[in-house]
Amino acid sequence: EDQVTQSPEALRLQEGESSSLNCSYTVSGLRGLFWYRQDPGKGPEFLFTLYSAGEEKEKERLKATLTKKESFLHITAPKPEDSATYLCAVQENFGNEKLTFGTGTRLTIIP
Amino acid sequence: SAVISQKPSRDICQRGTSLTIQCQVDSQVTMMFWYRQQPGQSLTLIATANQGSEATYESGFVIDKFPISRPNLTFSTLTVSNMSPEDSSIYLCSVALSTGGGQPQHFGDGTRLSIL
Repeated sequence: EDQVTQSPEALRLQEGESSSLNCSYTVSGLRGLFWYRQDPGKGPEFLFTLYSAGEEKEKERLKATLTKKESFLHITAPKPEDSATYLCAVQENFGNEKLTFGTGTRLTIIP
Repeated sequence: SAVISQKPSRDICQRGTSLTIQCQVDSQVTMMFWYRQQPGQSLTLIATANQGSEATYESGFVIDKFPISRPNLTFSTLTVSNMSPEDSSIYLCSVALSTGGGQPQHFGDGTRLSIL
């Protein structure tokens, strides 16, 4: 069974203090790994898809990377508006379009 | 992307009653999904709803408890039947804009359901 573990559960950073969020996964065959951002009271907002080890995607202050066992979401010089819960999900190679989610990292950026 | 609207956004219900949640998309999509997000837990897929066929349920979820309709390519409903406090959760609708796997899903803002 697919498993996704995210760490840390919560992270508080000063504005401008860069860091990384981790997503470890176990899947029989990876079709795609997805990063989402979720604000309170909202649904998850799609950020990135990664398909194969070594792949990287960037968007503003965020960069996602992928290895065969884990993905990192690097946040460079974060701003308070980057505060949110970041979710990681995997889709396996066979079967339906199901996404298996981790429990997320709650990121707080302090001005 | 797509605009996905869910109704109601929240509700408080009595145990033993049923509630139907609606999901409307602003474009035609083949695949729609229903997820549950319980407090402190990850999103869990309840079922996949394809237009013109029966919904496919994940392990632990049954049609009698969570009947789903998919009458056309822009609309779906999820009913939570005979509710108990354990059904208090956020229910989210998502869509895949294309098929073939490896495509992201886009989510509505969810329905926050509390059962008294």
